[in-house]
Amino acid sequence: DTGVSQDPRHKITKRGQNVTFRCDPISEHNRLYWYRQTLGQGPEFLTYFQNEAQLEKSRLLSDRFSAERPKGSFSTLEIQRTEQGDSAMYLCASSLISRGGDYGYTFGSGTRLTVV
Amino acid sequence: KNEVEQSPQNLTAQEGEFITINCSYSVGISALHWLQQHPGGGIVSLFMLSSGKKKHGRLIATINIQEKHSSLHITASHPRDSAVYICAATFAKGNKLVFGAGTILRVKS
Repeated sequence: DTGVSQDPRHKITKRGQNVTFRCDPISEHNRLYWYRQTLGQGPEFLTYFQNEAQLEKSRLLSDRFSAERPKGSFSTLEIQRTEQGDSAMYLCASSLISRGGDYGYTFGSGTRLTVV
Repeated sequence: KNEVEQSPQNLTAQEGEFITINCSYSVGISALHWLQQHPGGGIVSLFMLSSGKKKHGRLIATINIQEKHSSLHITASHPRDSAVYICAATFAKGNKLVFGAGTILRVKS
């Protein structure tokens, strides 16, 4: 297993276009998280899944944002009608939570979105 | 409200110096995480702790549950330690991370 993979690494798009990002977590991890980080700030929570169920969404996740994890493996984050304020690094992380405990998080390298 | 405060915001040190970064949080947590982020974005998990102290190489993380405070220490700092160090907390098992704003560390040779 090569860790958490995110694709693409960089995306430049024109305002108003739709974009989709993909995250492949560590295969045995049951939880998958999306965060957004703007320049000079710490990451902010967007949403997370346990297996295929989306358990929580932040108020930051407007109705232009949608995330899925259809088979409990990879996840996609789609932004419709992008705005310049959506420019940020989108980070994915995964973790294994079980009755035995919380085994910590592994982060992907992120997708940097620039909306022009 | 679940909050994580981190200090200092920026830190410049000479190679070899002992470095301390501090983190405090507002209410009880299930775990405290120290993360490292290099330019280009990737985040690496350094430590996850809920009590006591952990050590890995030149890095030491401590947490004081009663005082709601954690520190990250770097001994014999080196220019390759230059990065952003982020403190984050989970306020329930397996739930989302709440991040501090990060400390930008620059170690000069």
